[in-house]
Amino acid sequence: NAGVMQNPRHLVRRRGQEARLRCSPMKGHSHVYWYRQLPEEGLKFMVYLQKENIIDESGMPKERFSAEFPKEGPSILRIQQVVRGDSAAYFCASSQQGQSEAFFGQGTRLTVV
Amino acid sequence: KQEVTQIPAALSVPEGENLVLNCSFTDSAIYNLQWFRQDPGKGLTSLLLIQSSQREQTSGRLNASLDKSSGRSTLYIAASQPGDSATYLCAATTTSGTYKYIFGTGTRLKVLA
Repeated sequence: NAGVMQNPRHLVRRRGQEARLRCSPMKGHSHVYWYRQLPEEGLKFMVYLQKENIIDESGMPKERFSAEFPKEGPSILRIQQVVRGDSAAYFCASSQQGQSEAFFGQGTRLTVV
Repeated sequence: KQEVTQIPAALSVPEGENLVLNCSFTDSAIYNLQWFRQDPGKGLTSLLLIQSSQREQTSGRLNASLDKSSGRSTLYIAASQPGDSATYLCAATTTSGTYKYIFGTGTRLKVLA
């Protein structure tokens, strides 16, 4: 049973470009969480999704950030018009149910140049 | 609003020493408390998960305790080794809302050979 898969592992974008981060949850998991870790900081919750639904997006920046978890395929975190301050590690976690233990992926490290 | 604090922020010990890492949380209504390890530039490795009904969990040289009434958890590492050098994160999952993880900022541990 493969773990939570995130790709790409490393992503470099120029300022103003779009970044798309993908997360494939563990098999049988229908709940996905996204977290962001800024340099030298702890992980901060961004958004919680179930299949086709955003349940809690209280940690998402108001502009340029969006997330989806379609019926088929991975969850996508999309950052439009990236700025240097978006440089961070983005982690995805999945769980079988909301209150079940969540398992984390290896993260995507975004660098904006 | 749940806040999680970890003390100390950094710790350096000689090999073989037993050590304790501390984690405190402000909202005692937690669903579970989990300890992770993070190596530089890497993802999260789950170490121990303590459910709210439990007092402690053990795995090898690691022991984690939970005291909800005082809002504290400790991670005890016995006979530390250089390979234990990493950042240790604790995270609380609250019962209210969406079971998202609230992370502490971590303790950076260095075990000297």
